Amino acid sequence: AQKITQTQPGMFVQEKEAVTLDCTYDTSDQSYGLFWYKQPSSGEMIFLIYQGSYDEQNATEGRYSLNFQKARKSANLVISASQLGDSAMYFCAMRETYFGNEKLTFGTGTRLTIIP
Amino acid sequence: DSGVTQTPKHLITATGQRVTLRCSPRSGDLSVYWYQQSLDQGLQFLIQYYNGEERAKGNILERFSAQQFPDLHSELNLSSLELGDSALYFCASSAGQGGDTQYFGPGTRLTVL
Repeated sequence: AQKITQTQPGMFVQEKEAVTLDCTYDTSDQSYGLFWYKQPSSGEMIFLIYQGSYDEQNATEGRYSLNFQKARKSANLVISASQLGDSAMYFCAMRETYFGNEKLTFGTGTRLTIIP
Repeated sequence: DSGVTQTPKHLITATGQRVTLRCSPRSGDLSVYWYQQSLDQGLQFLIQYYNGEERAKGNILERFSAQQFPDLHSELNLSSLELGDSALYFCASSAGQGGDTQYFGPGTRLTVL
């Protein structure tokens, strides 16, 4: 069974600093996908970034980048130049796909608070 | 705005009752997924539908059922509700039957009293 581990329940970061949110995963599949979602206090789940297991380059989306270390089974999210609006819960997720069946397995999340 | 819509936004009901949550996927998406987010269980996958057919099944209770209609909207039915069913229920959609990004709706917050 797949498993996602986020070891940081909460983090406090000064505005404009970079922040790294940790995520490690466990799977025996060769093909998988890793996602990060943001959940603000309003509750919605916002897709941030995706990394495929066969992607050779680390994914980037604006201020978000994914530090993918396959051998270590880690997929850390890096947010550069943090902003007050980045305060939210962040979830790492892994996609399991087989014969058209698909599900996401989520970690427990990290609550990020940006301090002015 | 992800393009996925869910109604209602909030639902308050009593134990033993039955409720229906509705989801409309993004235009063109064929897969719909349901997830439950609770304080004790975190975010858990319930079920996937693709073009009207049930596909993957997760930790969905027998008291819960879902379906996807020909117009691709989906409904999640929760019956014989218990206090522990109080949670945020998300619908997500993706383009195909696997390998695409799942975009989440705003969720339905269910409170069982």
